[in-house]
Amino acid sequence: AQSVAQPEDQVNVAEGNPLTVKCTYSVSGNPYLFWYVQYPNRGLQFLLKYITGDNLVKGSYGFEAEFNKSQTSFHLKKPSALVSDSALYFCAVRDRYDYKLSFGAGTTVTVRA
Amino acid sequence: KAGVTQTPRYLIKTRGQQVTLSCSPISGHRSVSWYQQTPGQGLQFLFEYFSETQRNKGNFPGRFSGRQFSNSRSEMNVSTLELGDSALYLCASSPSTGGFTDTQYFGPGTRLTVL
Repeated sequence: AQSVAQPEDQVNVAEGNPLTVKCTYSVSGNPYLFWYVQYPNRGLQFLLKYITGDNLVKGSYGFEAEFNKSQTSFHLKKPSALVSDSALYFCAVRDRYDYKLSFGAGTTVTVRA
Repeated sequence: KAGVTQTPRYLIKTRGQQVTLSCSPISGHRSVSWYQQTPGQGLQFLFEYFSETQRNKGNFPGRFSGRQFSNSRSEMNVSTLELGDSALYLCASSPSTGGFTDTQYFGPGTRLTVL
């Protein structure tokens, strides 16, 4: 069975500081990993995904994520956070045995001016 | 391209009623998945359709059903509504390859409130 854990319910950072949102996963075989962001009363917006290859994945809005197979992690990062990055962030995983996406519980990011 | 559209955006029903939600995928996408989002349970997979066939199903009771039409539009139906069915229902579509590496693109959701 595939699963994702987001150990932090909330992350608070000051604008201009680095932002990190943590994610660890559990799958059988190679993982396919995704990050989504959700703004209030909106659906999920795709940020980036890891399928294979380079462990550092670059995505939308200046976000990137680092895949670490030994630590089974896929942390989302942004070098300089903006107030507009305040939202709910979801990590998701899929393996090749199950087409559905399994999501973490989500991490609320608040960026203060 | 237009994004995934869902109708209606908001819905209020009473216990025991049934409801049908609609989803139009991105043009050219053949896979449609449905998810339920609640504060307590988070995002949970309901089912996925590809080329009019249900390919995957989550762990939900039989009151939850769906279908996909030949134009890839999808509907989900919930019969005999319960208070616990109050949630944001999200539809997501994927490109025509329908493979494991596909990105799912989400619609804005339908907010269902059961009174």
